[in-house]
Amino acid sequence: GAVVSQHPSWVICKSGTSVKIECRSLDFQATTMFWYRQFPKQSLMLMATSNEGSKATYEQGVEKDKFLINHASLTLSTLTVTSAHPEDSSFYICSAREAGSDYNEQFFGPGTRLTVL
Amino acid sequence: GQNIDQPTEMTATEGAIVQINCTYQTSGFNGLFWYQQHAGEAPTFLSYNVLDGLEEKGRFSSFLSRSKGYSYLLLKELQMKDSASYLCAPMDSNYQLIWGAGTKLIIKP
Repeated sequence: GAVVSQHPSWVICKSGTSVKIECRSLDFQATTMFWYRQFPKQSLMLMATSNEGSKATYEQGVEKDKFLINHASLTLSTLTVTSAHPEDSSFYICSAREAGSDYNEQFFGPGTRLTVL
Repeated sequence: GQNIDQPTEMTATEGAIVQINCTYQTSGFNGLFWYQQHAGEAPTFLSYNVLDGLEEKGRFSSFLSRSKGYSYLLLKELQMKDSASYLCAPMDSNYQLIWGAGTKLIIKP
């Protein structure tokens, strides 16, 4: 149980275009989903926390108008990177926390590797 | 501030035992997680400690001392597939995980 999927697994796009990444909890309901970014050989960086039905909470330094997050249901959150630039190339990982979980454990999706040309 | 301290890299031999230490400082504490992350992949859950002591799960064990802000992950009977980064992630008072850069573990035959 507790499987999280992400789509797409990898994407290559041209500078200036927008890219949408989906995160789904397949066998549980996730009241909270997290979006992380990880550059090579660096730690996971939390970008934002999204709660179902409300606006996402962005970490300091993360532009909310550039990284649009929508958490419309208990099983789906989306991250849209708008007007992507080469510096946005990174590994984007989502995680989900199960509603009513005893441990508040985060289950991670497999990640999406974004390359902006 | 919030801080995680782990060795950057460790090397061990196949079949041996290795202990990865972690010290942390967080605003509040709601338990500590250990995750394994292979290169190019997302982290996978290994263990969770919220009370002091040792939690054993197969070849992996994790220990916590809240008063010392200290945890370790113990890996026994090392296998080549255990080569990965190991991330110590305490959870703060807001139930957010605090991430460090992790420890890269290299297993040699």
